[in-house]
Amino acid sequence: QQPVQSPQAVILREGEDAVINCSSSKALYSVHWYRQKHGEAPVFLMILLKGGEQKGHEKISASFNEKKQQSSLYLTASQLSYSGTYFCGTEGVLNYGGSQGNLIFGKGTKLSVKP
Amino acid sequence: KAGVTQTPRYLIKTRGQQVTLSCSPISGHRSVSWYQQTPGQGLQFLFEYFSETQRNKGNFPGRFSGRQFSNSRSEMNVSTLELGDSALYLCASRGGGSASHNEQFFGPGTRLTVL
Repeated sequence: QQPVQSPQAVILREGEDAVINCSSSKALYSVHWYRQKHGEAPVFLMILLKGGEQKGHEKISASFNEKKQQSSLYLTASQLSYSGTYFCGTEGVLNYGGSQGNLIFGKGTKLSVKP
Repeated sequence: KAGVTQTPRYLIKTRGQQVTLSCSPISGHRSVSWYQQTPGQGLQFLFEYFSETQRNKGNFPGRFSGRQFSNSRSEMNVSTLELGDSALYLCASRGGGSASHNEQFFGPGTRLTVL
């Protein structure tokens, strides 16, 4: 049930763009994105819900394709502060259409932004 | 508003021992989730408690157990420790019952080393 993230790692220069993908084999109710810097706790970035509602970061955008059970995180004009490991967390759908209630996280994508 | 706190921050145990980790959520938050983080495996979901009831459980052996108290504080217990249990254990709290509209706030984690 763990979602699959790609790529596993990416190295960028400041100002470059990156896309991180998250794919699930299960129907999804929502997708969450978190960033974890080395030695720190994961920090919330975004929530994407069925139906297109989004909540989160001003400078980072994301998409959620419900039919394909996929989400992508778009990092544009990257800054040094974007470095860290990005995790997607997926919330499944129960048989009756309700939400699973908990998040299952992928293995993460390590992003390194160089000057 | 104080963040999620976890105690102890570091712990060294030997195989066969048991350990109890504690998590105090943000005031007013009723949901507490526990995750195991190891290199390359991301955040593995252990269980979630909401209003003193275990609501969801991940695929971990019965040696891993938890509970939540009436003040929403949660404890996680691991019995008969194995070398593979060495990891960072993170807890996360959120205000609402559903993950869909509520971001999770992570604590700093407890680093458990099993010798």
